[in-house]
Amino acid sequence: GNSVTQMEGPVTLSEEAFLTINCTYTATGYPSLFWYVQYPGEGLQLLLKATKADDKGSNKGFEATYRKETTSFHLEKGSVQVSDSAVYFCALGVSGGSYIPTFGRGTSLIVHP
Amino acid sequence: DTAVSQTPKYLVTQMGNDKSIKCEQNLGHDTMYWYKQDSKKFLKIMFSYNNKELIINETVPNRFSPKSPDKAHLNLHINSLELGDSAVYFCASSPAQGANYGYTFGSGTRLTVV
Repeated sequence: GNSVTQMEGPVTLSEEAFLTINCTYTATGYPSLFWYVQYPGEGLQLLLKATKADDKGSNKGFEATYRKETTSFHLEKGSVQVSDSAVYFCALGVSGGSYIPTFGRGTSLIVHP
Repeated sequence: DTAVSQTPKYLVTQMGNDKSIKCEQNLGHDTMYWYKQDSKKFLKIMFSYNNKELIINETVPNRFSPKSPDKAHLNLHINSLELGDSAVYFCASSPAQGANYGYTFGSGTRLTVV
């Protein structure tokens, strides 16, 4: 079956620090990979996606590269801001498989001034 | 214009009551979903509709009944509310059925059963 494993949080950083949130997956078939962000009191928003190996998704300074050899899709940002404090979800979806993507359990990020 | 809108945003009610949550999307998407998020942020799929047709019904108690009058609307009715139903409920939509599409989520309905 499909599964997504994210690092446990919370991740606590100072403003302008470098961010990495690890995500690894197992999948039958060739998945698309996603990162979603959930700000406090809001719904999830699609942050970035990648659909094939070696693709890099990027948005708002965040990046993630689809690494098939290590089955990973780690989220990175070079310099975090207080406003990046949120819960980040890694997810995968396999075309032609289950209709529903598989979500990780979320990683909380807290950025201090 | 909000893409996926849910009402109400907050719902506080007593055990045993019946309540409804409404969802509307203006994206022209074919597929809509209901998710439940618990206090630890874990997301669980409840239902999925594609063009008004139920395609996914996970192991959800019969007290929960979705209804899709058209492909832009998906409502959730809950009978005989229990304490364990307290959670945040999210509506979402995608262009078509398939797990490789990105989802657009509503802002959630926080249900508190007392």
